[in-house]
Amino acid sequence: DAMVIQNPRYQVTQFGKPVTLSCSQTLNHNVMYWYQQKSSQAPKLLFHYYDKDFNNEADTPDNFQSRRPNTSFCFLDIRSPGLGDAAMYLCATSRGVGGNIQYFGAGTRLSVL
Amino acid sequence: DQQVKQNSPSLSVQEGRISILNCDYTNSMFDYFLWYKKYPAEGPTFLISISSIKDKNEDGRFTVFLNKSAKHLSLHIVPSQPGDSAVYFCAGGAGAGSYQLTFGKGTKLSVIP
Repeated sequence: DAMVIQNPRYQVTQFGKPVTLSCSQTLNHNVMYWYQQKSSQAPKLLFHYYDKDFNNEADTPDNFQSRRPNTSFCFLDIRSPGLGDAAMYLCATSRGVGGNIQYFGAGTRLSVL
Repeated sequence: DQQVKQNSPSLSVQEGRISILNCDYTNSMFDYFLWYKKYPAEGPTFLISISSIKDKNEDGRFTVFLNKSAKHLSLHIVPSQPGDSAVYFCAGGAGAGSYQLTFGKGTKLSVIP
């Protein structure tokens, strides 16, 4: 049973057209993360929520926003996707302090035309 | 600045032999490390971890060794099986109150039957 679910698995958007990726979890974890991963690169943390507290990485472009309306759901909004935003986007969760293991979803592969 | 380095992008091993995947880190604040395994079209899944107070942790066929003075860790898989073919990511975390991870670029392991 999938515990971290990402939808859609594949997303195609046009240059400049806003897109939203979603993530849900059944683990009741405090922390939810969004990573961007490009081919042969390490997953790059974009931001995370600890409960409702939002934490943005310093080098995350303003084009990327996130929402966490409740414990179970987290969204990644890309306001004006560029060609360089084509990547795999991974959502992960963890318990937070005292729980170091992160549990990942299967990812959303974003293509920008 | 790559704080976690996996210098071998790929590794091929014969079935039944030992696989050794290496990871180096530069951040002295890391005090725990995790290995993740990733199959194509799936998210990374947690494999094994080690705290900096240990130099070895074993789980079945998987053993992780940590050499703090060299800032080096390795994952040993014995015996290797074709189902172990995947990309392996090393990740480091810092501090008792921290829950964020820094990932390496991964090593693709191919186990040849």
